[in-house]
Amino acid sequence: AQRVTQPEKLLSVFKGAPVELKCNYSYSGSPELFWYVQYSRQRLQLLLRHISRESIKGFTADLNKGETSFHLKKPFAQEEDSAMYYCALRGTSYGKLTFGQGTILTVHP
Amino acid sequence: EADIYQTPRYLVIGTGKKITLECSQTMGHDKMYWYQQDPGMELHLIHYSYGVNSTEKGDLSSESTVSRIRTEHFPLTLESARPSHTSQYLCASSEYPRDGSPLHFGNGTRLTVT
Repeated sequence: AQRVTQPEKLLSVFKGAPVELKCNYSYSGSPELFWYVQYSRQRLQLLLRHISRESIKGFTADLNKGETSFHLKKPFAQEEDSAMYYCALRGTSYGKLTFGQGTILTVHP
Repeated sequence: EADIYQTPRYLVIGTGKKITLECSQTMGHDKMYWYQQDPGMELHLIHYSYGVNSTEKGDLSSESTVSRIRTEHFPLTLESARPSHTSQYLCASSEYPRDGSPLHFGNGTRLTVT
């Protein structure tokens, strides 16, 4: 079975502060990990994926297989980063994603 | 423009009515999915399809049914709506099952059953 846990339902930071959204997963094989974001009144969209090892909008995430984590980080948060963030795992070859519970990030001015 | 479309965007309907939520994508994707997003904002997979004439139940049990007669179309049907079906329903599609291929989501249908 595959499972994704985002321990923080709500996260508030001030503009310019570092931010880290935690994600832990449970899967016995080799997973694919993703971060999705949902801005207010917009559709759910891909932010980044571990396979690309990319930085999007200043966000990065490193897959740590030893700790089974895929935390999302940004050194200097911006107000426009306020959104709902979902961590997601794809474990099988069937393509379906298992999502975490989501973290609402609020960046205060 | 290649995209994934869901209609209606909002639906308020009485108990016992039959409803169909439409989902169409113009990206030529074989894989399609229905997720239910509950008031706490968690996402649960309720149905998925690998291609035409292929449908499977997801991780969350649902009284809804789906069909996949055409590649681009993946409608979800509730034969008799109940207040417990009130939720947001998200349709998604993807190109490949792995190798970093992301899911593309529609705007969702917010269903309210009174």
